[in-house]
Amino acid sequence: GESVGLHLPTLSVQEGDNSIINCAYSNSASDYFIWYKQESGKGPQFIIDIRSNMDKRQGQRVTVLLNKTVKHLSLQIAATQPGDSAVYFCAENRGTGANNLFFGTGTRLTVIP
Amino acid sequence: GAGVSQSPSNKVTEKGKDVELRCDPISGHTALYWYRQSLGQGLEFLIYFQGNSAPDKSGLPSDRFSAERTGGSVSTLTIQRTQQEDSAVYLCASRPKGREWYNEQFFGPGTRLTVL
Repeated sequence: GESVGLHLPTLSVQEGDNSIINCAYSNSASDYFIWYKQESGKGPQFIIDIRSNMDKRQGQRVTVLLNKTVKHLSLQIAATQPGDSAVYFCAENRGTGANNLFFGTGTRLTVIP
Repeated sequence: GAGVSQSPSNKVTEKGKDVELRCDPISGHTALYWYRQSLGQGLEFLIYFQGNSAPDKSGLPSDRFSAERTGGSVSTLTIQRTQQEDSAVYLCASRPKGREWYNEQFFGPGTRLTVL
């Protein structure tokens, strides 16, 4: 399954399938991006980050892709598990000030067993 | 070690009352942030503390909101004369020294505030 930017706030996938969550950012000067996972009743948890001089970064079962040309970021989760059900936020870092991390509204991922 | 903790986890109050929300950051973390998360919304920056520097209060929505950080550790967010629109989850995050560029923030579980 695939969601497009922040206009589709929900995504449902079958357990074992791959998930792709997309995020469009607005500031071409943003130099650093983070994906957070927020489970119900908990605070956001860092998943993976990527600097603007990279196109791809891989973690454990997760991959982040960055397309600076179209200001697009995606999070790919391989072999999605029920424990992956959560809201996923992208955040863009726009500078060095305190209020420099801007968060999207998030996409709710539901994994169907 | 322990993560960021916040208390209370839930707070229900009546309109017009004052509330205090507490954040215990990870020991040794020099930076502390407060955010507000309204239903279905992204995180809204409120205030930032960094060491002994003056806090960045640019995100506080009104003068009813204030925060302090004592001894460079525990922080308290105070909302005076609460309004129904203050209902939200208030999140605290801390960041270790030396990670400023990466802005790697560790979040607490949040306090869910409901103003009746």
